[in-house]
Amino acid sequence: EVQLVQSGAEVKKPGESLRISCKGSGYSFTSYWISWVRQMPGKGLEWMGRIDPSDSYTKYSPSFQGHVTISADKSISTAYLQWSSLKASDIAMYYCAREGYCSGGSCYLVSQHWGQGTLVTVSS
Amino acid sequence: EIVLTQSPGTLSLSPGERATLSCRASQSVSSSYLAWYQQKPGQAPRLLIYDASSRATGIPDRFSGSGSGTDFTLTISRLEPEDFAVYYCQQYGSSQTFGQGTKVEIK
Repeated sequence: EVQLVQSGAEVKKPGESLRISCKGSGYSFTSYWISWVRQMPGKGLEWMGRIDPSDSYTKYSPSFQGHVTISADKSISTAYLQWSSLKASDIAMYYCAREGYCSGGSCYLVSQHWGQGTLVTVSS
Repeated sequence: EIVLTQSPGTLSLSPGERATLSCRASQSVSSSYLAWYQQKPGQAPRLLIYDASSRATGIPDRFSGSGSGTDFTLTISRLEPEDFAVYYCQQYGSSQTFGQGTKVEIK
């Protein structure tokens, strides 16, 4: 069974750094890209970027480029999303998702498998 | 970046009624790389439709997708109680972007 298990909720102060994680299991971790998606309170989904765990190649949404860093450690099947200096505007639920839904011998860059979400709270 | 605009923002319907949700792209979505997701409160999104009109595994056939180019539609033929949720379109032809969502609420 494919599973993506994210790290637990975080409460941080403005200016602090943070790294949250997403551990994949039940499939070949290096065969599928991992995306990160932000959902601010009461708002919609925003694609932040993705990583290819096989070579750590990343692509970011212009809205998030330079504000976050996506990385992966394929030896432990884990992807990461990190901030060097959190702001109040970073308060959100963050989801990881596996890009790659396969059916009938083809694969599509959509996400059938999602993590449970990590709630990040930033408060002084 | 392709911007997706969903309409209406909220759809108030009764169980058994037909729901029609729209997603319009700011430029043509290549190869109809357009997906639809359902999200319920406190849950991660659930993939419904990919490639504009293909249902994902396990998705009931009351859900159907159509469209191409810049105009796409998700239709729920007869609303079941569990279908009341927020629906998002997503394009994956040029990087990825999501629409802002349509809430389907009970009238």
